[in-house]
Amino acid sequence: SQQGEEDPQALSIQEGENATMNCSYKTSINNLQWYRQNSGRGLVHLILIRSNEREKHSGRLRVTLDTSKKSSSLLITASRAADTASYFCAPSIYGNKLVFGAGTILRVKS
Amino acid sequence: DTAVSQTPKYLVTQMGNDKSIKCEQNLGHDTMYWYKQDSKKFLKIMFSYNNKELIINETVPNRFSPKSPDKAHLNLHINSLELGDSAVYFCASSQDRRGGADNEQFFGPGTRLTVL
Repeated sequence: SQQGEEDPQALSIQEGENATMNCSYKTSINNLQWYRQNSGRGLVHLILIRSNEREKHSGRLRVTLDTSKKSSSLLITASRAADTASYFCAPSIYGNKLVFGAGTILRVKS
Repeated sequence: DTAVSQTPKYLVTQMGNDKSIKCEQNLGHDTMYWYKQDSKKFLKIMFSYNNKELIINETVPNRFSPKSPDKAHLNLHINSLELGDSAVYFCASSQDRRGGADNEQFFGPGTRLTVL
């Protein structure tokens, strides 16, 4: 399928540790986006990286993109309990179409 | 003010009924979407409208009919509801920039539909 596939499916870490989530996809993309979903809520956009970019930072977030490997990673540094959520990558394949996977469930223990 | 709002938040209904979910965005965006999130958390796009015109129509049963009275609203009407329609439905919107690039999407809070 064309959807973004996140790895791992679930991740449990201690507060203060870094969390790394990976994403793979199968087609050429315009950009790749990461979203967060808190339990019972809608998705919130975190960061967008264009296909001609390799790395992008936003606060405690660092995203990398390797178009040759069709993969991306999201690093959250110095995690907090409030970072507990599901994280989705969404490759943008044409027009405005985003293809989401099932996400990575991150649990940050305090 | 809520940027993307949906009503109702919860919807419980019997099989065979017809129901509607409403979505409104006050962001001035050109494009709106409906997504379905199943029990395994997969989020799948169903429809996309740009300025009231249908752009994306995934393989969704024709029991599902989106209606866009203006570019700030995209409602979802579902006929003859089935058990498998139970899911969380999300509305989203985005601003068309550079032909679709940089298309950050803003999501509503979701409508949890339960078909009994």
